[in-house]
Amino acid sequence: GESVGLHLPTLSVQEGDNSIINCAYSNSASDYFIWYKQESGKGPQFIIDIRSNMDKRQGQRVTVLLNKTVKHLSLQIAATQPGDSAVYFCAENIRGTSYGKLTFGQGTILTVHP
Amino acid sequence: GAVVSQHPSWVICKSGTSVKIECRSLDFQATTMFWYRQFPKQSLMLMATSNEGSKATYEQGVEKDKFLINHASLTLSTLTVTSAHPEDSSFYICSPQAASLNTEAFFGQGTRLTVV
Repeated sequence: GESVGLHLPTLSVQEGDNSIINCAYSNSASDYFIWYKQESGKGPQFIIDIRSNMDKRQGQRVTVLLNKTVKHLSLQIAATQPGDSAVYFCAENIRGTSYGKLTFGQGTILTVHP
Repeated sequence: GAVVSQHPSWVICKSGTSVKIECRSLDFQATTMFWYRQFPKQSLMLMATSNEGSKATYEQGVEKDKFLINHASLTLSTLTVTSAHPEDSSFYICSPQAASLNTEAFFGQGTRLTVV
């Protein structure tokens, strides 16, 4: 069936570098996308979201890019810090369903080295 | 953001016993509750969706008689894992949704269930 997936399961970066985490989705009916950060033993923490009528959205140190043509989503973290080390998930919501009903990607483990 | 309280944060139980997990929305009324399950090193998978006062809708492959969901009030939902087995050991996460909050899903802190 259709699902959200990730290209890279792990990503290691040096403190201060920029990080890019990628996500591919296949459901063309998805129109709302979210990135979550999950630390060990905790629930997902909202980072940033984007709707399908946008291709870029910026937050504090984070940027999400959406390419609907190739069904690709990315999360860019500027000046990555050790506290950014966690598992990052993209999630999608299908048009017409409740915003809380999400399909999650497999996750990328981000490790930031001091 | 919305405040969600889920407990217990972890629980160990013996095979065959039942475990109840509570999820509370502290500053909003949750008309809908989503329950997710996450096995180690895997992603979150939706188990079921419940609307306040109605029976839950379960995703394919999730046994409704094993995972009992009660959503009797707008601020509290419970998930009971009945006759737990070691394969039910997982991280269970709730996500309450209010009708007025049509963006950004909020999640509980999760419950680590270990069945021995």
